Amino acid sequence: DADVTQTPRNRITKTGKRIMLECSQTKGHDRMYWYRQDPGLGLRLIYYSFDVKDINKGEISDGYSVSRQAQAKFSLSLESAIPNQTALYFCATSDYTDFQETQYFGPGTRLLVL
Amino acid sequence: AQKITQTQPGMFVQEKEAVTLDCTYDTSDPSYGLFWYKQPSSGEMIFLIYQGSYDQQNATEGRYSLNFQKARKSANLVISASQLGDSAMYFCAMREVKYSGGGADGLTFGKGTHLIIQP
Repeated sequence: DADVTQTPRNRITKTGKRIMLECSQTKGHDRMYWYRQDPGLGLRLIYYSFDVKDINKGEISDGYSVSRQAQAKFSLSLESAIPNQTALYFCATSDYTDFQETQYFGPGTRLLVL
Repeated sequence: AQKITQTQPGMFVQEKEAVTLDCTYDTSDPSYGLFWYKQPSSGEMIFLIYQGSYDQQNATEGRYSLNFQKARKSANLVISASQLGDSAMYFCAMREVKYSGGGADGLTFGKGTHLIIQP
């Protein structure tokens, strides 16, 4: 089973609709992240969370909100979707062990806003 | 200014040759980490290798090595004996450790290099 899962994997929605992207992890990591990737660009950070009570805005948080329901769950919401939010969205967790950090990514959610 | 610069939008390499993917970074923090990820056409992000700013030796993971030149702020990925399955997008990323802000704030990514291995 995958360590970081995202649902849905693909979503088509209309402008103005509210949608939620969900992320779950079985790795037991405290740190979780949401990124978006646009064609021809690298990933950009939307929100991050150190634990259930600690949530922080990233580089491009406008138009998004998040909820950390539990250590294992971190959801991203688009309150009123717009076409330029069409992108590939990744959830990730982070671990720092033996002086090495790794960010583990989920499989991604492809979102199309019409 | 960009924090991560990957100057090679695309590369064609013959199978079995070694490949060097360039990455330069910009930070004033003394403590940071550098990452390389592979993204095949299926879209997932696959972690390849990590280099900490205080690591004395270059990181290696199988066929992957990171040529870390701290003074030049360079962190090139070297793939030895390339294979057809290495064809993918490759992203360099950096995590800065901000002691004043209370800690981590995710990775900053470059725009990537599209590597194509030819038979």
